Amino acid sequence: DTAVSQTPKYLVTQMGNDKSIKCEQNLGHDTMYWYKQDSKKFLKIMFSYNNKELIINETVPNRFSPKSPDKAHLNLHINSLELGDSAVYFCASSQGGTQYFGPGTRLLVL
Amino acid sequence: QKEVEQDPGPLSVPEGAIVSLNCTYSNSAFQYFMWYRQYSRKGPELLMYTYSSGNKEDGRFTAQVDKSSKYISLFIRDSQPSDSATYLCAMILPSGGYQKVTFGIGTKLQVIP
Repeated sequence: DTAVSQTPKYLVTQMGNDKSIKCEQNLGHDTMYWYKQDSKKFLKIMFSYNNKELIINETVPNRFSPKSPDKAHLNLHINSLELGDSAVYFCASSQGGTQYFGPGTRLLVL
Repeated sequence: QKEVEQDPGPLSVPEGAIVSLNCTYSNSAFQYFMWYRQYSRKGPELLMYTYSSGNKEDGRFTAQVDKSSKYISLFIRDSQPSDSATYLCAMILPSGGYQKVTFGIGTKLQVIP
């Protein structure tokens, strides 16, 4: 019973391509997040949705577009991928502060 | 100055040692404090969650918060090789009715058998 799941686990792609990462949580939480963890392991919030509504949008290039079709799903679409987008992307969900993370999607842009 | 400062380490200790991990923060509006453990190539998992100054104990782990000094600590007693991981402190800032979490960079811990 995976609480927060992400697909794909690994993503290797060329510069300029468009790709999507999907996230699903079965915890019944109202809030979901996307985080980026770079090569220095710093975990930085990108977006947060509460009940399908965008509530946090940090300074992220508009090539990144999140979408929440329902409160159990939060997807991340990235246009025109750049080398600097290579990182691990984590989805998380929360109810009242404590966050539960997915296993991460390792994105490598060549 | 970063909102949350944490020494990235690495920190190497012998098995059985007491480990002390620390974070300082600059924003006195932070209200809730957490410690996450992240094993290599895995997502962070919550270890401890506190909201008041003082100590909170859970098994071999003790979380300590000193709001007056803006300083939080995680102590691990009788450390085990399985404790080898990166430990991230995290703090919650209520923001417009929602809660925004800020993470430290994480301290990499290695417990040597």
